[in-house]
Amino acid sequence: NAGVMQNPRHLVRRRGQEARLRCSPMKGHSHVYWYRQLPEEGLKFMVYLQKENIIDESGMPKERFSAEFPKEGPSILRIQQVVRGDSAAYFCASSVTPIFTTEAFFGQGTRLTVV
Amino acid sequence: AQSVTQPDIHITVSEGASLELRCNYSYGATPYLFWYVQSPGQGLQLLLKYFSGDTLVQGIKGFEAEFKRSQSSFNLRKPSVHWSDAAEYFCAVGARNTGFQKLVFGTGTRLLVSP
Repeated sequence: NAGVMQNPRHLVRRRGQEARLRCSPMKGHSHVYWYRQLPEEGLKFMVYLQKENIIDESGMPKERFSAEFPKEGPSILRIQQVVRGDSAAYFCASSVTPIFTTEAFFGQGTRLTVV
Repeated sequence: AQSVTQPDIHITVSEGASLELRCNYSYGATPYLFWYVQSPGQGLQLLLKYFSGDTLVQGIKGFEAEFKRSQSSFNLRKPSVHWSDAAEYFCAVGARNTGFQKLVFGTGTRLLVSP
């Protein structure tokens, strides 16, 4: 059973371009979480999704950011019109259930650099 | 709101020496506490977690942590460090009855192991 797969591992975008980050959860996991790690900071929650539903997006910026987790395929975090401040590591995690009695498994992250 | 403080940004330990990484949290009720490790180029891996019961928790790779309510601390320890332990360590806190989208992470402690 492969772990949580994120791609690309590294992504460079010019200001104003779009960034698309992909996350394939572990097999059998239907709960996906996106976290962002800005330089010198801890991971911060962005969005929580189940298949075809956004459950909690309270940590996601209101503009330019969107996320989806379709019935088929990976979860996508999309950042439109990127700015330098979007440069960060973006981590995806997945779990069987959302509660702490199970375990969430994290991917290796996507390092986004905006130039 | 919960918060986590890891006061040490970097720690250098000689191989074979003991290790203690500090973590202090702020939360109004009994927290759920976690330690994750991130090796270079890897995702976050759960080392151990505390929910309730025995305040001394054993984890993987020979790590343990002790929950001290009076000090609001959850320090990570290992009696003898190996070179392969060099990594970044994150402490995280969650609220009871909520899920992984509510994890709050510290800024991390980078462990260097000297020969």
